Amino acid sequence: DIQMTQSPSSLSASVGDRVTITCRASQGIKNNLGWYQQKPGKVPKRLIFGASNLQSGVPSRFSGSGSGTDFTLTISSLQPEDFATYYCLQHNAYPLTFGGGTWVDIK
Amino acid sequence: EVQLLESGGGFVQPGGSLRLSCAASGFILRNYDMSWVRQAPGKGPEWVSASGGSGDSQDYADSVKGRFTISRDNSKNTLYLQMNSLRAEDTAVYYCVKLSKYGDSGYWGQGTLVTVSS
Repeated sequence: DIQMTQSPSSLSASVGDRVTITCRASQGIKNNLGWYQQKPGKVPKRLIFGASNLQSGVPSRFSGSGSGTDFTLTISSLQPEDFATYYCLQHNAYPLTFGGGTWVDIK
Repeated sequence: EVQLLESGGGFVQPGGSLRLSCAASGFILRNYDMSWVRQAPGKGPEWVSASGGSGDSQDYADSVKGRFTISRDNSKNTLYLQMNSLRAEDTAVYYCVKLSKYGDSGYWGQGTLVTVSS
């Protein structure tokens, strides 16, 4: 099974900060990775697909990078509506696996 | 517009069974592999099972293998998850997702809550 190690598990940041979240796969997954944002009580919302492609309608302050085993989600300037939990998801092989999540809260 | 509408969740005692349904619209179900993903209270999402487009292949997480069965009726554009021998740790919101090892469309249903408790 492919393990997805996501870090940090939580972070506190201020509006306007640059935020970086990473996911490391236990084996190569090419670019078969997505990033999701989830707010309490809501369905996960995809932000990034194919490791680096911005989902339509998602603000350009979100970006993704990486390939193989190391991936990064960057929020260039954190906005109040970005406080949420973020997950990576590998869909390269079954079982599909999610990262453990990163809770981004207000400093 | 792609829509996924789950139903069938509810309250069940340990050892009991439930069948979840997912009515798909806005695309032809038989052309896509589909998954069920669950999320226990306060936890992250967990992939549960996937079904090949024609229904001839199934994959399962180890945590549900032998207890859950995924199936589909492409003529009704509906995906199912039969859940037997339910345990307290199966308590979660279950999502129908247009997702497989061949691709992630980003489409999730609204979810249906399954509660297993005595």
